[in-house]
Amino acid sequence: GQQLNQSPQSMFIQEGEDVSMNCTSSSIFNTWLWYKQDPGEGPVLLIALYKAGELTSNGRLTAQFGITRKDSFLNISASIPSDVGIYFCAGIKQTGANNLFFGTGTRLTVIP
Amino acid sequence: DSGVTQTPKHLITATGQRVTLRCSPRSGDLSVYWYQQSLDQGLQFLIQYYNGEERAKGNILERFSAQQFPDLHSELNLSSLELGDSALYFCASSRTGGMPPGTQYFGPGTRLTVL
Repeated sequence: GQQLNQSPQSMFIQEGEDVSMNCTSSSIFNTWLWYKQDPGEGPVLLIALYKAGELTSNGRLTAQFGITRKDSFLNISASIPSDVGIYFCAGIKQTGANNLFFGTGTRLTVIP
Repeated sequence: DSGVTQTPKHLITATGQRVTLRCSPRSGDLSVYWYQQSLDQGLQFLIQYYNGEERAKGNILERFSAQQFPDLHSELNLSSLELGDSALYFCASSRTGGMPPGTQYFGPGTRLTVL
């Protein structure tokens, strides 16, 4: 089942504002991923993080792999209307059969 | 259009029944992944196949099984269906078999409703 706690659950922001969301777990993960899902479509991978402390950017998106390996955050700067969607974090454990877990999602609404 | 096709788009069936969901990966992609998305459980990784062989396994129930055929298409079989199996089932494909999946392309999904 779910092992990743993602917050906030939803956000309403004005266009141009910055956004921050995070994902925490009681378990250690080897890799953190951030996805975006648009209505009626499958998730799209935004950023992948491979080692503790890593900070990676993809355009206006920046994500960090927490030092403890139990958390990650995603920032979106200068939000635009097309940022609307549901953002999921996911963590990968290299050991064990259940090796990819998703967060509960953050629903982002951008008000023009 | 991601290039990944899934059939059927919608499926309505009764409890206790068995269904088969089909996925064709993008041309040249060797890996196929199956995911389940439901209101109760959120998004869950089920299983991955790479070039015909099982590569990784997630929260897949014993009532569910999958396979990847020589032409690389994949089928997800769901049996003894329960109401809680109602969900959107996504297939995704990628060129390589690594985990994380790297550049992964999702299909449009099959919406399964169990009555």
